[in-house]
Formats: sequence, structure tokens, C-alpha cells
Amino acid sequence: NAGVTQTPKFQVLKTGQSMTLQCAQDMNHEYMSWYRQDPGMGLRLIHYSVGAGITDQGEVPNGYNVSRSTTEDFPLRLLSAAPSQTSVYFCASSTTFRTSRSAGNEQFFGPGTRLTVL
Amino acid sequence: AQSVTQLGSHVSVSEGALVLLRCNYSSSVPPYLFWYVQYPNQGLQLLLKYTSAATLVKGINGFEAEFKKSETSFHLTKPSAHMSDAAEYFCAVSAGTASKLTFGTGTRLQVTL
Repeated sequence: NAGVTQTPKFQVLKTGQSMTLQCAQDMNHEYMSWYRQDPGMGLRLIHYSVGAGITDQGEVPNGYNVSRSTTEDFPLRLLSAAPSQTSVYFCASSTTFRTSRSAGNEQFFGPGTRLTVL
Repeated sequence: AQSVTQLGSHVSVSEGALVLLRCNYSSSVPPYLFWYVQYPNQGLQLLLKYTSAATLVKGINGFEAEFKKSETSFHLTKPSAHMSDAAEYFCAVSAGTASKLTFGTGTRLQVTL
């Protein structure tokens, strides 16, 4: 198993450019999520999905879009990049209570994408 | 809604000394609590988790944490620090059957000779 993979590892954008951060998992996990990590602020939830076709907003969704057309993939789109979106982005996945019949399931994290917006 | 507070953004200990990283939580329903570790330029890795089976939870690399409901705490400890423990540590909480995690702001552990 590759686990959770993210591409690219690094990206530099100019203000106003758009891009998609890719996330894929091969563990058949229903739950997938995107976080951003900023110094002194921990990880903040951007968007999450509990299954294909179902997405919802997290704590800091503005400026980001997501879709979930398959169980495996959960891309994050920046429509018009801003310097405030300079951050490290992590994707994570886990089973859900619905499938595992247990709660408190471990989330598995990807290696992250370091994004700089100039 | 749930939240996590980690006291101390930086903790420094000598090699061989006790490690104590503090975490307090707030949750309106019984919580599930996690400690994750992040080594430089890497993703997060689960150290241990509390899922109501036992209040003292043992994790990887000699770490353990104790769930104290009366104090709403889930502090992380290790009897003897090693240089390889230098990393950032995050406490997180989920509530009920929801999968969403809420993270604390993290504690950077420095281990000195």
C-alpha cells in the first residue's frame, strides 16, 4: 500500500493563479480531509468528505474548492491564489464509523505540499 | 463542538529527563483523543489514541498518555527523553461517531545533551 499520496511536494504560484493539489489513497477509506498547517496555529480543517459525492466545509474553507468523484481521490483547488494561502497542506484519510462500526479511527496523513504564493 | 488546548508551544528537556506535554480538551460528547508526532518536513504519524477502553494508553516509542475526565486532560509523557524524540507533537480530539479531528496548536519538543 502506498497509503496517502500528495502531489506536488512543492509549488510556487503568483497571486491570482489557480492550481489543484492532488491527494489519493489506496486504503478504501471513506473519509478524506484537507488541512493547512501554519506556524503557531496547528492544523486547521479546510474541507472534508465522508464518501464519493459528499463534501463539506471545515474551519477555513474560503478560497478553496473540493470534489470527490471517486473513493480514492480528493483534489483541492485554489481558484485564485492569494499570499494568505501560503502554507503547508496535508491530506488525510480514515475509515468511518459507518464502515468500521468503531469510532475514534486513526487518520493517515500524506507527506504534505508546501505552497508559496507570491 | 470540541476544542483542544496545548500548554506550551516549546518544551525543552535534557536527554534522559522526563517528557511531559500537556493537552486539555473540551467536548460536549465523550471524546476520542489522539497524539500525533511530526518530524521535520514530514507528515503526521499517530503516537497513540484514547478510545474509552483504558484510561492509560501506551503508544509507540515509549510514550504514554492518561485520560483524566475530571481534569479534561490527556497529557503525553515519556520517562526518559531521547534525542530522536525532538519533533512537534499535536493533540487532537474527535467526538462521537464523527470522523472530524480538531487539533491543538502543537508543542515543539527540543532535547538537549
